[in-house]
Amino acid sequence: EVQLVESGGGLVQPGRSLKLSCAASGFTFSNYYMAWVRQAPKKGLEWVATISTSGSRTYYPDSVKGRFTISRDNAKSSLYLQMNSLKSEDTATYYCARHSPFNYWGQGVMVTVSS
Amino acid sequence: EIVLTQSPTTMAASPGEKVTLTCRASSSVSYMHWYQQRSGASPKLWIYETSKLASGVPNRFSGSGSGTSYSLTINSMETEDAATYYCQQGSSYPYTFGAGTKLELK
Repeated sequence: EVQLVESGGGLVQPGRSLKLSCAASGFTFSNYYMAWVRQAPKKGLEWVATISTSGSRTYYPDSVKGRFTISRDNAKSSLYLQMNSLKSEDTATYYCARHSPFNYWGQGVMVTVSS
Repeated sequence: EIVLTQSPTTMAASPGEKVTLTCRASSSVSYMHWYQQRSGASPKLWIYETSKLASGVPNRFSGSGSGTSYSLTINSMETEDAATYYCQQGSSYPYTFGAGTKLELK
């Protein structure tokens, strides 16, 4: 059974950093592109980042480019999202998802950016 | 960036009623994916590559479309279908989602 379990969320002040993790199991992690998708409270879904199987290619929307970094450790079947210079508008539930399409999702982890 | 516009924003349907949700893209895309999200739950892939049903999706659901116009149809509304449905394009980066259609039971 495919499982994706996010961790690392919490309350953080504007301008600070936070790193999310996603532990994957039930499939050969190194064979799949992976992604982060977020959902602000009571809002829709927003794609945040994608990483290739080897980690050599990464993709971001303009809203997070230069502030967020997606990475992976295939040996540990883990996905990461380093979030720097956080803003209030980054407040959301962050989901780890397997490409493509996004056919498996984690349960999500809440990130609140507030002073 | 390809903008996806879903309509209606909200709708209510009675059990047994036929329902059609629409997603329009600002530029042509090769295919469309659809996700179902029930309240308090993670999204689930529902229809992929325009018309293929994800595993476990009842066959009262169908998807169609091409170019800039896509739709999700429920042949006969059931209670469990009440949820928010999002379309998503994966043809080009940045990947984008529609704002969602909230489908309620009448």
